[in-house]
Amino acid sequence: DVKVTQSSRYLVKRTGEKVFLECVQDMDHENMFWYRQDPGLGLRLIYFSYDVKMKEKGDIPEGYSVSREKKERFSLILESASTNQTSMYLCASSLPQGDWETQYFGPGTRLLVL
Amino acid sequence: EDKVVQSPLSLVVHEGDTVTLNCSYEVTNFRSLLWYKQEKKAPTFLFMLTSSGIEKKSGRLSSILDKKELFSILNITATQTGDSAVYLCAVAKPTSGTYKYIFGTGTRLKVLA
Repeated sequence: DVKVTQSSRYLVKRTGEKVFLECVQDMDHENMFWYRQDPGLGLRLIYFSYDVKMKEKGDIPEGYSVSREKKERFSLILESASTNQTSMYLCASSLPQGDWETQYFGPGTRLLVL
Repeated sequence: EDKVVQSPLSLVVHEGDTVTLNCSYEVTNFRSLLWYKQEKKAPTFLFMLTSSGIEKKSGRLSSILDKKELFSILNITATQTGDSAVYLCAVAKPTSGTYKYIFGTGTRLKVLA
């Protein structure tokens, strides 16, 4: 079974703090994704990576950066946390199978920025 | 702009009822449509649909895609309280060597005993 883990289930931070969210997958997947999920807005893609050290902006990258130094690990960084970044953050990974792929999600990190 | 719209936003039914969840989309370079079930934590994969008119089934759940009319439905028959969840629809499109997923806002289903 694919396993995607995230470093924290709940996190409380103060405005202006630097925040690191870690995601690790154990299935040698090439592709990894970071989303945030907000009521009424669904899941929105922040960044994704299709290879080590490669990253691409998603739909809402502002205020975030990412790091992919190893294949199994994809980190999301909030350089200076703000209250509007309070959200549920979901990491996902996938391995292309033929011409389609399925994403597997981690359990999510619920971040509160005060 | 790509968009995926799910309806209804929420639904309350009683055990044993049959429900139909809808997902319509306007996405360029459509590759596939996926359904996920999300309880209190991570979304879990249900179905992936790529071809029109072919029904996917798993137990009491089934789904079908209409690529001409740009929509999909997810049916759940004989609902149980364990079916209570948010059901997410997503459309995959190729981008930068992988696929990008555009998600709908989800349908929240509550099944009462």
